[in-house]
Amino acid sequence: AQSVTQPDIHITVSEGASLELRCNYSYGATPYLFWYVQSPGQGLQLLLKYFSGDTLVQGIKGFEAEFKRSQSSFNLRKPSVHWSDAAEYFCAVGPGGYQKVTFGTGTKLQVIP
Amino acid sequence: EPEVTQTPSHQVTQMGQEVILRCVPISNHLYFYWYRQILGQKVEFLVSFYNNEISEKSEIFDDQFSVERPDGSNFTLKIRSTKLEDSAMYFCASSDPGQQETQYFGPGTRLLVL
Repeated sequence: AQSVTQPDIHITVSEGASLELRCNYSYGATPYLFWYVQSPGQGLQLLLKYFSGDTLVQGIKGFEAEFKRSQSSFNLRKPSVHWSDAAEYFCAVGPGGYQKVTFGTGTKLQVIP
Repeated sequence: EPEVTQTPSHQVTQMGQEVILRCVPISNHLYFYWYRQILGQKVEFLVSFYNNEISEKSEIFDDQFSVERPDGSNFTLKIRSTKLEDSAMYFCASSDPGQQETQYFGPGTRLLVL
């Protein structure tokens, strides 16, 4: 069965500081990996995805993520955080095709001035 | 940019009542999904739908739930007799034939069962 672990429930960073959100997955084959962001009162917006190829993927809003098969990780990074990045971030894994995606419990990001 | 839309944004209902949550997927998408997020918990898969039939459903999706694509644009989730524990945010998602694995989510419907 597929599963996702986001070990950090809540993270606080200063505006302008770098950010890394951790994600570990469990899946038997090559996974399809996603990061979504949920701003307060909003839906889930796709930030980026990884299926194959270059293990460093670029997404929207200046985010990137690196797939590390040996560590079963897909961590999300941003070099310089903006106040508008305050939101909840969800890592997700799926088998591909039109099958279900399994989400982690999310990491809530707070940005302080 | 095309978006998935959902109505209503909020719904309050009494326990035992029927509710219908509506979604308009992105127009060229053929795969449709419902997920829910109970407050403070993770987003959970409910059901996927393709070619006018259910493709996959979770154990949450029991006989109280049903889905339908009544016309060419809408996709609905019906809960026949709501329970307190059905209170959650319900998300609709869709994906297109060329990128089936990438699901695009709507803004959600917040359902409160009293």
